[in-house]
Amino acid sequence: EVELVESGGGLVQPGGSLILSCVVSGPSFSASAIHWVRQAPGKGLEWIGRIRSKGNNYATVYAASVRGRFTISRDDSQNTAFVEMNSLKTEDTAMYYCTRPGRGCRTTSCFDPWGQGTLVTVSS
Amino acid sequence: QSVLTQPPSASGTPGQRVAVSCSGTSSNIGSNSVTWYQQLPGTAPKLLIYNTVQRPSGVPDRFSGSNSGTSASLAISGLQSEDEAHYYCAAWDDSLNGVVFGGGTKLTVL
Repeated sequence: EVELVESGGGLVQPGGSLILSCVVSGPSFSASAIHWVRQAPGKGLEWIGRIRSKGNNYATVYAASVRGRFTISRDDSQNTAFVEMNSLKTEDTAMYYCTRPGRGCRTTSCFDPWGQGTLVTVSS
Repeated sequence: QSVLTQPPSASGTPGQRVAVSCSGTSSNIGSNSVTWYQQLPGTAPKLLIYNTVQRPSGVPDRFSGSNSGTSASLAISGLQSEDEAHYYCAAWDDSLNGVVFGGGTKLTVL
């Protein structure tokens, strides 16, 4: 069974930086894309980006709201994905989830399972 | 403002059937499969419907998905108190080159 565990969240000042980690247990990490989704307090879900596998050249794509500020990477030897967040804004305050494509999914919006999330608060 | 449009709330009594709509465009729902998630308070989203109409193992057949053109719908029959949650639709958007979500619908079981 696949399990994802995020860490690295915390309080950071506007303009600051933070790196979140997502450790994945279970089979096929290196062959799977990893996606990051966030949820501001009391708000809906927002996809922020994904990184594909080595076989797909570790291709990344980002939502417009974070493009140029966030960078997603992975270390297949550690079964871990990362999101490096720079130039943080108050509106980046959210719970950040990592997730991966579900079994049998034929579309890129299908994620299963999800991690429990890590909370990032951007405030002075 | 979310790319996919959902009603902010829906409600029903136990045993009733309720439907949650999700409206999009030709670049998302009109050309890609739809996914639905259930989010209980304080928990991560859970995959509910994928490939527009399929249910993961463990999801009761009370939950069903459908679509028509640029809209999709989640139906819940035989409503139960434990169905009280937020429901989100999602799809890949070919124009934005990313995944888009609906704003979410809070379902209340009266």
